[in-house]
Amino acid sequence: GQQLNQSPQSMFIQEGEDVSMNCTSSSIFNTWLWYKQEPGEGPVLLIALYKAGELTSNGRLTAQFGITRKDSFLNISASIPSDVGIYFCAGQQAGGTSYGKLTFGQGTILTVHP
Amino acid sequence: DAGVTQSPTHLIKTRGQQVTLRCSPISGHKSVSWYQQVLGQGPQFIFQYYEKEERGRGNFPDRFSARQFPNYSSELNVNALLLGDSALYLCASSLGGQGGETQYFGPGTRLLVL
Repeated sequence: GQQLNQSPQSMFIQEGEDVSMNCTSSSIFNTWLWYKQEPGEGPVLLIALYKAGELTSNGRLTAQFGITRKDSFLNISASIPSDVGIYFCAGQQAGGTSYGKLTFGQGTILTVHP
Repeated sequence: DAGVTQSPTHLIKTRGQQVTLRCSPISGHKSVSWYQQVLGQGPQFIFQYYEKEERGRGNFPDRFSARQFPNYSSELNVNALLLGDSALYLCASSLGGQGGETQYFGPGTRLLVL
């Protein structure tokens, strides 16, 4: 099925470093979301973006909804060991047969070394 | 308040069998969506239900079906199981029938088909 192009696939960083990951799509989305998933759990919502150009922060996390509506990025500042996990971007369109459908990227695996 | 709950947590079946997975949404949420997550990939949309009616469907065969009950809980049924159906099945709930609403995920049911 369709997936967003998320990069990088994995990152190995030192504690305290900043992290950046992004998602691109050939389709326009009305909503962009970023989730984090840890082993044995479902995805947990980090940030939701509803407007093109919107820049939103949640603590050390900052995400932006691209102006073209076809991309988004997530930054994590001053990483800590508990940031370890898989980060997913997801786009949502409104209406039609895609009603309620979230389209996910392949995920970015983040490893933080103390 | 309890989040999205799913049962069972783990399940082992053999090819050709049928399986039923259950989901209870967050209190006050009326919409439930189902996703399949194969190891190493992002979740793939299967269905969304609102007020007991199917509102959206992904690219899955007719072996996959679902229903929603008056209390907004939901069941996902998969018939004639194949090895490739082995995956984490995630349920997500959202407030109502608006397509752009934020979805909150449960911990998932891990299905292994032998």
